[in-house]
Amino acid sequence: GQNIDQPTEMTATEGAIVQINCTYQTSGFNGLFWYQQHAGEAPTFLSYNVLDGLEEKGRFSSFLSRSKGYSYLLLKELQMKDSASYLCAVRTNDYKLSFGAGTTVTVRA
Amino acid sequence: EAGVTQFPSHSVIEKGQTVTLRCDPISGHDNLYWYRRVMGKEIKFLLHFVKESKQDESGMPNNRFLAERTGGTYSTLKVQPAELEDSGVYFCASSQEFGQAYGYTFGSGTRLTVV
Repeated sequence: GQNIDQPTEMTATEGAIVQINCTYQTSGFNGLFWYQQHAGEAPTFLSYNVLDGLEEKGRFSSFLSRSKGYSYLLLKELQMKDSASYLCAVRTNDYKLSFGAGTTVTVRA
Repeated sequence: EAGVTQFPSHSVIEKGQTVTLRCDPISGHDNLYWYRRVMGKEIKFLLHFVKESKQDESGMPNNRFLAERTGGTYSTLKVQPAELEDSGVYFCASSQEFGQAYGYTFGSGTRLTVV
């Protein structure tokens, strides 16, 4: 099976930067996704990495190192609306997603 | 375009009863997935349809769970009879093509509580 680890909770101040780490052990790696989920809502797509390196999309960036089984999601210029759960998910060659348990980010004023 | 729709949003049933969850994927998406999140655990794969065919049902917990996708449009997931451990949030997702990076769109989920 797949093993995906991410911190349970993180707290940061509005305007700050937060980095959420995700480590994984998997066979047949075929991409890593980050999703944002507000309570009671659908997980929404944030980023996708399949090659090593950094992908930047506005205030959000995601990094991948396949050799290290490591990714991070960087959230810059935090806003109150960024308070949510952030899910790291690894796709394998059978096109299934395996999720981490999620990181709850709380943004304080 | 309309997103992935799931209903009901919440369901509370007694142990031993039957419940049917429904998912309407984005129109034109051939791939439909069911996932489940049990309290305190991570979201886990249940099964994958390509059109009306089951591509992979390796995540289905046991034979009390039956998924169908007649006509390759909406899908239903029936739990019969429900047990306490079936409680959780059931998510549906759809995608247009295999391997598409941005293709997985999730619904808001059905929160099932078995009492």
